[in-house]
Amino acid sequence: GQSLEQPSEVTAVEGAIVQINCTYQTSGFYGLSWYQQHDGGAPTFLSYNALDGLEETGRFSSFLSRSDSYGYLLLQELQMKDSASYFCAVRDESPADSWGKLQFGAGTQVVVTP
Amino acid sequence: NAGVTQTPKFQVLKTGQSMTLQCAQDMNHNSMYWYRQDPGMGLRLIYYSASEGTTDKGEVPNGYNVSRLNKREFSLRLESAAPSQTSVYFCASSVDRGFYGYTFGSGTRLTVV
Repeated sequence: GQSLEQPSEVTAVEGAIVQINCTYQTSGFYGLSWYQQHDGGAPTFLSYNALDGLEETGRFSSFLSRSDSYGYLLLQELQMKDSASYFCAVRDESPADSWGKLQFGAGTQVVVTP
Repeated sequence: NAGVTQTPKFQVLKTGQSMTLQCAQDMNHNSMYWYRQDPGMGLRLIYYSASEGTTDKGEVPNGYNVSRLNKREFSLRLESAAPSQTSVYFCASSVDRGFYGYTFGSGTRLTVV
């Protein structure tokens, strides 16, 4: 089995920086992904980390530490349009499940205020 | 490109009724998935199809059946709807195992009364 823990809500002002942490427990591990979902919309893929370190894509960065079973998503220069839910997801692979499906955390609601 | 198309977008069912949720993708992806999303619980996998001709159970398969009709289409059937199946259902697809992301449809909001 596996579990993912992330905060339920984070509030910040426009222009600020927000870090969303994700800790996971898995029987195998193939990488950590992040998805964004606006209210009433579909989840959209943001990033994938298979190796330790920081991956930067514009204003968003994602970090992974495999030894700590921990990762985070960093949102910089926050904009109102960044108000959304953010989900971490782990691909777990084990002898009983070689396909390694994605399992999602419960999500972090990011609220950006003027 | 349409990506992943789900129909219907909204549906209200009475307890005991049946229905099929349709999903089609035009990206030539091998793998397709059905998730349900409930408040505070994230996305939970119902069934998936790693490739055409195969289907497997996910985390919450009870009360559902699926059909991978061809490479493009993956349908989800509720044989006898229950109020506990009130949820938002998302179909997704990926190139093989989806290391570089799943593409999701816009969702079906289902209410069972």
